[in-house]
Amino acid sequence: KAGVTQTPRYLIKTRGQQVTLSCSPISGHRSVSWYQQTPGQGLQFLFEYFSETQRNKGNFPGRFSGRQFSNSRSEMNVSTLELGDSALYLCASSLWAGRETEAFFGQGTRLTVV
Amino acid sequence: AQSVSQHNHHVILSEAASLELGCNYSYGGTVNLFWYVQYPGQHLQLLLKYFSGDPLVKGIKGFEAEFIKSKFSFNLRKPSVQWSDTAEYFCAVNARSGGYNKLIFGAGTRLAVHP
Repeated sequence: KAGVTQTPRYLIKTRGQQVTLSCSPISGHRSVSWYQQTPGQGLQFLFEYFSETQRNKGNFPGRFSGRQFSNSRSEMNVSTLELGDSALYLCASSLWAGRETEAFFGQGTRLTVV
Repeated sequence: AQSVSQHNHHVILSEAASLELGCNYSYGGTVNLFWYVQYPGQHLQLLLKYFSGDPLVKGIKGFEAEFIKSKFSFNLRKPSVQWSDTAEYFCAVNARSGGYNKLIFGAGTRLAVHP
C-alpha cells in the first residue's frame, strides 16, 4: 500500500509570493491533517480536513489555508509568504477522524522563503 | 488548552544502555497517546500507540510505553538501545472528545547512541 505522498519535496520562494503544497493520503483514508515543523516551535497543527470539510484549525494566520478534494487529496496554500514561514510542512493521513485512529505522515515539503 | 511536555531535550547513551523518555500531558478527558520517531532524513514514523485497555503497550523495534492515568504520563522505554536508535522522538496526544485528528506534540527528544 502506498504511503502518504507530498509534492513537491523542496521549494524556494521569495517573500510576498504564494505557494501551494499537495498531499495524497493513503488509499481509503478520509482525514488529512497538516503540520508545520520548525526548529524553534516544533510540530504545530495547522488544520484538518475530513470529507472535504475543514473540521479543525490551529493557531495560524488566515494566510494559511487548505482544501480537500472528493478523492481525499488535499492542498495547502500559503499566501504573502514571510521569512518565518520557512519550515517543513507535513501532511498526515488517517482512516477516520478522532476515535481510535492513528496518523501516518508523509516525507514533508521543505519550504524556504528568501 | 492541551499541552505535552517531554522532559529531556537531548539524551546521550552508549549501546546496550537502557532508555526511558518522559512524557506528560495536560488534558482531563480521554486521550489517544502516541510516540513517533524521526530518523535522520526520514519521515515521522509511529513507534507505538495507546487507545484503551492494557496501559503497557509494546511497539516496534523493542520499544514499550506505559500509560499512567493518575500521573498524566506516557513514558517510553527500551531495555537496551542500539546505535540505530539514534533519532528524534516525539510524544503526541489527541483528545478524543472532539472527534478530530489534532495531534499535540511535545518538543521532542534527540537521542544519540554511541557504539
